[in-house]
Amino acid sequence: AQSVTQLGSHVSVSEGALVLLRCNYSSSVPPYLFWYVQYPNQGLQLLLKYTSAATLVKGINGFEAEFKKSETSFHLTKPSAHMRDAAEYFCAAGGATNKLIFGTGTLLAVQP
Amino acid sequence: DGGITQSPKYLFRKEGQNVTLSCEQNLNHDAMYWYRQDPGQGLRLIYYSQIVNDFQKGDIAEGYSVSREKKESFPLTVTSAQKNPTAFYLCASSLWEPGVEADTQYFGPGTRLTVL
Repeated sequence: AQSVTQLGSHVSVSEGALVLLRCNYSSSVPPYLFWYVQYPNQGLQLLLKYTSAATLVKGINGFEAEFKKSETSFHLTKPSAHMRDAAEYFCAAGGATNKLIFGTGTLLAVQP
Repeated sequence: DGGITQSPKYLFRKEGQNVTLSCEQNLNHDAMYWYRQDPGQGLRLIYYSQIVNDFQKGDIAEGYSVSREKKESFPLTVTSAQKNPTAFYLCASSLWEPGVEADTQYFGPGTRLTVL
């Protein structure tokens, strides 16, 4: 069965520092991969989506993610954190059935 | 503006009562989904529907029911059989192209249900 693992339920960085949020998937075939962001008491907003067209995917708000098949990973990065990036981030994997499997989320705190 | 609306934003219910959460979309999407979100558990799929008048159980369907009488609407009823209904409920929608890549799901703002 497909699964998604997000390492680190809480990550704290200083403003201006690199953001790295980890996501690993378990699947017999490379799935379609997504990163979503959720601000408190709101729905999820799509950051970026991997569909095999390119291994490095650029998203909104300066985020990007790199698909590495050999490591079954899809880590999310941003070169310089901003206070407004503080939120919860979810990695998800899906296939042709359109059902998504979500990781348990990583809460990002940004310190001034 | 196109999007997904959920109402109400906050909902309080007494134990033993059924309650219905509304979800409407004007994106002309075929597929709609209901998720439950609990702290530290991510999102879990309750029900989904790929076409009008048809829906399938997700991973945690017990104690919930849905209907899909219109393309735009996918209401969720939390019944008294749901043992722990207090949670944040999210509705989503997407295109549906069988056999093609997984389509992006777009989410509504959520409904926070509290059972008193």
